[in-house]
Amino acid sequence: EVEMVESGGGCVQPGGSLRLSCAASGFKFTSYGMNWVRQAPVKGLEWVSYISGTGSRVYYADSVKGRFTISRDNAKNSLFLQMDSLRDEDTAVYYCARSAGHLSYWGQGTLVTVSS
Amino acid sequence: DIVMTQSPDSLAVSLGERATINCKSSQSLLIHSINKNNLTWYQQRPGQPPKVLIYWASNRESGVPDRFSGSGSGTDFTLTISSLQAEDVAVYYCQQYYSFPRTFGQGTKVEI
Repeated sequence: EVEMVESGGGCVQPGGSLRLSCAASGFKFTSYGMNWVRQAPVKGLEWVSYISGTGSRVYYADSVKGRFTISRDNAKNSLFLQMDSLRDEDTAVYYCARSAGHLSYWGQGTLVTVSS
Repeated sequence: DIVMTQSPDSLAVSLGERATINCKSSQSLLIHSINKNNLTWYQQRPGQPPKVLIYWASNRESGVPDRFSGSGSGTDFTLTISSLQAEDVAVYYCQQYYSFPRTFGQGTKVEI
């Protein structure tokens, strides 16, 4: 059974940093690109970042480019999102999602709150 | 960036009636070489992550009830719920995977 479990969320002050993790299981991790998607409170979905199966290709939304870094550890079936210079508007539930073209499987999400 | 625009923002439908949600993209999502559109539909119930309903614009995901169907090509797409059930109350999103950055529609809230 495909499963993805996010962790690392929490409360941080503006300008601070957090590192999110996503532990994947139930599928061949290296065969799939992975994404981070976020959802601000009572708002819609916003795609944040993508990384290919080998990690050789990465893409970011303009809203996070230069502040967030996506990475993966294929030996540990894990996906990461390093978030630096956090802003109030980064407050959201962050989901990891597996790519099969479309986002075929999603984790339950982890809440990040940026507030002073 | 490809802009995805859904209509309406919300709709109220009686149980057993049809619900129709539209999604328009700012550029074509059709890959001519394979004659497929890179468009997917998600359902998000309160407090839950999104769930895939339809991919390639019209392919129903395994386990999704056949009352859900997707249609359209190019820039105009439709999600139809043929006979609304109580468990279909949710927000529905379209999303393009034709190019990066991936973009979502703003969502359509379906109520009874």
